[in-house]
Parts: sequence; C-alpha cells; structure tokens
Amino acid sequence: DARVTQTPRHKVTEMGQEVTMRCQPILGHNTVFWYRQTMMQGLELLAYFRNRAPLDDSGMPKDRFSAEMPDATLATLKIQPSEPRDSAVYFCASGLGQSYGYTFGSGTRLTVV
Amino acid sequence: GESVGLHLPTLSVQEGDNSIINCAYSNSASDYFIWYKQESGKGPQFIIDIRSNMDKRQGQRVTVLLNKTVKHLSLQIAATQPGDSAVYFCAENRAGGYNKLIFGAGTRLAVHP
Repeated sequence: DARVTQTPRHKVTEMGQEVTMRCQPILGHNTVFWYRQTMMQGLELLAYFRNRAPLDDSGMPKDRFSAEMPDATLATLKIQPSEPRDSAVYFCASGLGQSYGYTFGSGTRLTVV
Repeated sequence: GESVGLHLPTLSVQEGDNSIINCAYSNSASDYFIWYKQESGKGPQFIIDIRSNMDKRQGQRVTVLLNKTVKHLSLQIAATQPGDSAVYFCAENRAGGYNKLIFGAGTRLAVHP
C-alpha cells in the first residue's frame, strides 16, 4: 500500500531549539497538507501546498513556523525557536485534490520541554 | 490554525448495533466531505467521502448522508464491531479560491461487547 511517511515519529527537544519535521507524500500526489493535533484544539490546518507551491499558511505562527516543499518527494515543517506550547502531534497528508480523499501519515509527536 | 470545536462527544453502542455519528459543518460553499477514523496513536484513516451533488453514498458497512439544507452530515456504521472503536472526524473541503480541508471536533465511538 502506498503511504505517507513522516519522520521522526517522536521528538523531544528543549525550548528554544530548532525542530524540523519531514514528510514524504505518496508518489504522484500533488497536494500536501500539514496539520497539528492537540486535545484542546483538535486538528488544525497549518499549511498546504499544491504542485509544491504554498497556497495557504494562514494557520501557522509566522514568526516561528515555516513550511516548504524543496521537491515533489519532500515536505518540511520547521519550528525555530520551539516553545512548550508547540507540543502536539503534527500530521502530513497528501492527495490528488478534491474527490480523491487525502492520505495521512502516522504523525510526529513533538514534546518541547 | 483553522479547526472546529473543542469538545469531543462520545457515542457508546453495543456490538452488533448500528451507529450513527453526526456532524454539522459551517460553510455552505463546501462541496466535498470526508469521514475519517482515527485510532489511538495513528493518523486519520479515510473511510468514505461524498460530493455536494449527492445526498447519500454507501460503502462497505458504512453510509454517509448529506443534508445541505441544514448543513448536516452523518456516518452510519452497520453491525458495529469492537474494531470500529475510534474517534471519527468529518472534514469539509471549503471551495472558493484554493480548496482546503477543515476538520470537525470529532466523536469518540466506544463499542461494548
């Protein structure tokens, strides 16, 4: 089965450190989403890309978060500097656009201490 | 980030009964909807989708109903099994400009033997 691969699965870091999360979308998928999941806020949309171009990143705190797709096989989400309130599970999802559904990765569980 | 709701209602059912999970969506311009299942420690898993030009779609043991008049979506699971225990999310694809997928708060389904 084709899958979305996220690395690392778990990350514990100290406040102030840079964190980079990676996502390998399913080959051929042209749409990539980044979500953050917490108990309080549920699944929040942070950013999404189509054909590697960022379409909307209004959900991200711009001062510390950045999302990029350096090529079609890699999407990255970076936090610099990280804060304890960034602790959450971060999911990447990819798809072919509307009507085809979107496939989620297993997530990166981030803990900032 | 964009999300919908903070509270997570729970639906408890007996094994073998039918389950109905409801979702209210907010944007009348949304034209595509997806139900996802999320098990503990995993990413959301696609179950079934429906476009706004339909009011019903059936899959294996699952049926999605869409009522655009009242902006309501439901997921029916027939003969619920213990393996169906999970959190279920509805997601709406907000059309207009660039489509983006926004999730509801989720409903926890607990299946009792």
